[in-house]
Amino acid sequence: QSVLTQPPSASGTPGQRVTISCSGGSSNLGSNNVNWYQQLPGTAPKLLIYSNDQRPSGVPDRFSGSESGTSASLAISGLQSEDEADYYCAAWDDSLNGWIFGGGTKLTVL
Amino acid sequence: QLQLQESGPGLVKPSETLSLTCSVSADAISGSDSYWGWLRQPPGKGLEWIGSIHYTGRTFYSPSLKSRVTLSVDTSQNQFSLRLTSVTAADTAVYYCARRWNYYDDSGNPHWYFDLWGRGTLVTVSS
Repeated sequence: QSVLTQPPSASGTPGQRVTISCSGGSSNLGSNNVNWYQQLPGTAPKLLIYSNDQRPSGVPDRFSGSESGTSASLAISGLQSEDEADYYCAAWDDSLNGWIFGGGTKLTVL
Repeated sequence: QLQLQESGPGLVKPSETLSLTCSVSADAISGSDSYWGWLRQPPGKGLEWIGSIHYTGRTFYSPSLKSRVTLSVDTSQNQFSLRLTSVTAADTAVYYCARRWNYYDDSGNPHWYFDLWGRGTLVTVSS
């Protein structure tokens, strides 16, 4: 069981806006930044959002992140078919002294 | 562009030791304050962090794997390695190596994240 909680699935139609939540606790999201990763089928994870709301170079501005207290969200606007992937949140946990991941959310573009 | 590449046996017998190496393409391991990490993903499941190592040898391990894991670094070869002992079928997974980048903002707050990943290598534990 993951320490960070994500919905197992999400879906939307092309052009829609979808959000994926990530819930944690005081020792992780409550005190450290959250990062988001996108994993396309059969490939390695790719950094999508770092430090709650920062996009690495090359990531479209359709992707955005936010954080409040012990929760975080990833929003994808203007949904495209190529966004169909698994999305993971991750954060450092001060109690475990290690990295923790959410269980992942499978995004389906209908 | 910096690249990471995992290598090692794809099949390990139960109770034996899994050993993997990650080669870093440029002279980068000792050239920055980054940590270098191992993560894994069992088939059809989510990501799990195994541990991270700094070029100085400082390590952090997942509490759930700490008793079986050893990370090491060879700066002369630009490589870092993973050893996982007493493996079982539950250790079957795609193993990734990754760079944990870090920087400090103007307020002195640290920002850490895995920014570069290898392609991953599937390790199956089976007799």
